Amino acid sequence: DVKVTQSSRYLVKRTGEKVFLECVQDMDHENMFWYRQDPGLGLRLIYFSYDVKMKEKGDIPEGYSVSREKKERFSLILESASTNQTSMYLCASSLVTGFINTGELFFGEGSRLTVL
Amino acid sequence: AQSVAQPEDQVNVAEGNPLTVKCTYSVSGNPYLFWYVQYPNRGLQFLLKYITGDNLVKGSYGFEAEFNKSQTSFHLKKPSALVSDSALYFCAGPLRVGNTPLVFGKGTRLSVIA
Repeated sequence: DVKVTQSSRYLVKRTGEKVFLECVQDMDHENMFWYRQDPGLGLRLIYFSYDVKMKEKGDIPEGYSVSREKKERFSLILESASTNQTSMYLCASSLVTGFINTGELFFGEGSRLTVL
Repeated sequence: AQSVAQPEDQVNVAEGNPLTVKCTYSVSGNPYLFWYVQYPNRGLQFLLKYITGDNLVKGSYGFEAEFNKSQTSFHLKKPSALVSDSALYFCAGPLRVGNTPLVFGKGTRLSVIA
């Protein structure tokens, strides 16, 4: 069964802490994504990566960074967590066919982060 | 760039009745369009997609979607709703042609009442 695994389902952190959210996929997908989900705002793209060591900013990259050292792993880093980063974070991966994102994203279960 | 919009935050329907969840899109050229579903406390799951071809696309769990170019719509439908269909539904499309991320609508919460 194909899978995207996010390391933590629930986290509580304090303002100013450094936070790591880990995501691993076992489908050998080229693309990996980090989205943030907030009520009434839908999903907003933070960063995405289409290859190892490659990354591109999404709509809301401020306050976040990412790392993709291996194809299967895509990490989201909050250098100094703030209360407005309290949210649900969703990792996803997808296959590329013919230089086109197939669009069939596989999502992890999500990581609900609370920053106090 | 492509964008999608979901005009309804909430849709309520009685069990056994047909359901429709609406999506409109804005794109130059031929659109790629997708529907995803999110059950409580879970990640999103792919339901179906339109790339090209038949305007009526069939997907998982008995859902289908109708692509209408003249109305720039891609509405999700099901002939007979189940209580277990209650969830959050997202319409999505790629930002632009090529290997690009999906942009999502804000979501529509479907409640099926027994």
